Amino acid sequence: DQQVKQNSPSLSVQEGRISILNCDYTNSMFDYFLWYKKYPAEGPTFLISISSIKDKNEDGRFTVFLNKSAKHLSLHIVPSQPGDSAVYFCAASFGNEKLTFGTGTRLTIIP
Amino acid sequence: NAGVTQTPKFRILKIGQSMTLQCTQDMNHNYMYWYRQDPGMGLKLIYYSVGAGITDKGEVPNGYNVSRSTTEDFPLRLELAAPSQTSVYFCASIHLVGAFFGQGTRLTVV
Repeated sequence: DQQVKQNSPSLSVQEGRISILNCDYTNSMFDYFLWYKKYPAEGPTFLISISSIKDKNEDGRFTVFLNKSAKHLSLHIVPSQPGDSAVYFCAASFGNEKLTFGTGTRLTIIP
Repeated sequence: NAGVTQTPKFRILKIGQSMTLQCTQDMNHNYMYWYRQDPGMGLKLIYYSVGAGITDKGEVPNGYNVSRSTTEDFPLRLELAAPSQTSVYFCASIHLVGAFFGQGTRLTVV
């Protein structure tokens, strides 16, 4: 039972344009959501997070949107840069307990 | 501040061999986790610990064991390696709302 789903395994975006990565979840008990970025041969690194009491959180070029009624969150990167090419995982947690990860989306930024 | 350190980075095991993947964190975090990542798949939770002396199973615990005698260390043990355990293993520690990951151990069982 995949509680956190990233339905797009890959995404290609032109440099300078907006990248939008999507994530859906099924467990309504999740109260914290995070995005991680992973380069090959490295561990995932934390990117941005959002609490279920908010619907938007912004950090520089990265913005995460949460739609609780749709159980959907998205990560917007604007403008996209070549260094953004990586695999992005969304994750969800409930009460500071274990993180449940999605399967990841490979983002490729085309120069 | 080293963060989360995993050793070894790479290992090849024969079927039936055993090994321990080491994980150490120096951030005094209570929550520690072991994940595996198979090609094209997300991170699957193997075992986790909410503090020294406390461990619990995740989604895919079969074939593995853990211990947590100190806050810093959370080793993962494979007793009888099987080809299905070929994967990349990540250890993580969590504080408040962020997880810090080690660089991963690429394990191949042949």
